[in-house]
Amino acid sequence: ETGVTQTPRHLVMGMTNKKSLKCEQHLGHNAMYWYKQSAKKPLELMFVYNFKEQTENNSVPSRFSPECPNSSHLFLHLHTLQPEDSALYLCASSQDLAGGPLGEQFFGPGTRLTVL
Amino acid sequence: DAKTTQPPSMDCAEGRAANLPCNHSTISGNEYVYWYRQIHSQGPQYIIHGLKNNETNEMASLIITEDRKSSTLILPHATLRDTAVYYCIVRVANVDNQGGKLIFGQGTELSVKP
Repeated sequence: ETGVTQTPRHLVMGMTNKKSLKCEQHLGHNAMYWYKQSAKKPLELMFVYNFKEQTENNSVPSRFSPECPNSSHLFLHLHTLQPEDSALYLCASSQDLAGGPLGEQFFGPGTRLTVL
Repeated sequence: DAKTTQPPSMDCAEGRAANLPCNHSTISGNEYVYWYRQIHSQGPQYIIHGLKNNETNEMASLIITEDRKSSTLILPHATLRDTAVYYCIVRVANVDNQGGKLIFGQGTELSVKP
């Protein structure tokens, strides 16, 4: 248990559906992240938020729309996804962008997304 | 951030030390070496990090060469639960409270066998 929770753990959606992934951290951190992990590929950083403000968007398609209403919650809204978007989506948090004293990020368990 | 090179896979006998190497020949002076691991279908987990001195914590030891161009993560008594993908990452940390991105490579898939 890392203090970062993600729901749902598994999601199957059609290409015309709209769904949202939720991440919540109970660590009092100020920075939150979305990563994508496709099969047999390294983790890819998608978005970074610091004190609710987006500080990084790594050329992510607009069909992925993040939202950070406060420092504890992060959402990833999904619409008109493609089958190649099927992947494990991981949320992480850290004390600040430097990661705090240890420079570490705490990861949630991920949402396994399948797009049909 | 500098890139790292790791062997794609390694085996280790249960109870023996697992030594995972990492090359980071282009590391800069202000970049730390971080190690994370990812057990199957879970999120990555921080293990240890260091700048130039060897480091040890309850999970592992990190040995960094004097020229800082390579490092070794040591799991002193590997168990079956240590089977995971281990990532070596170099990043700037604690610079103007910004830090650097965690850029994950392919990592080393460690299999601990009975």
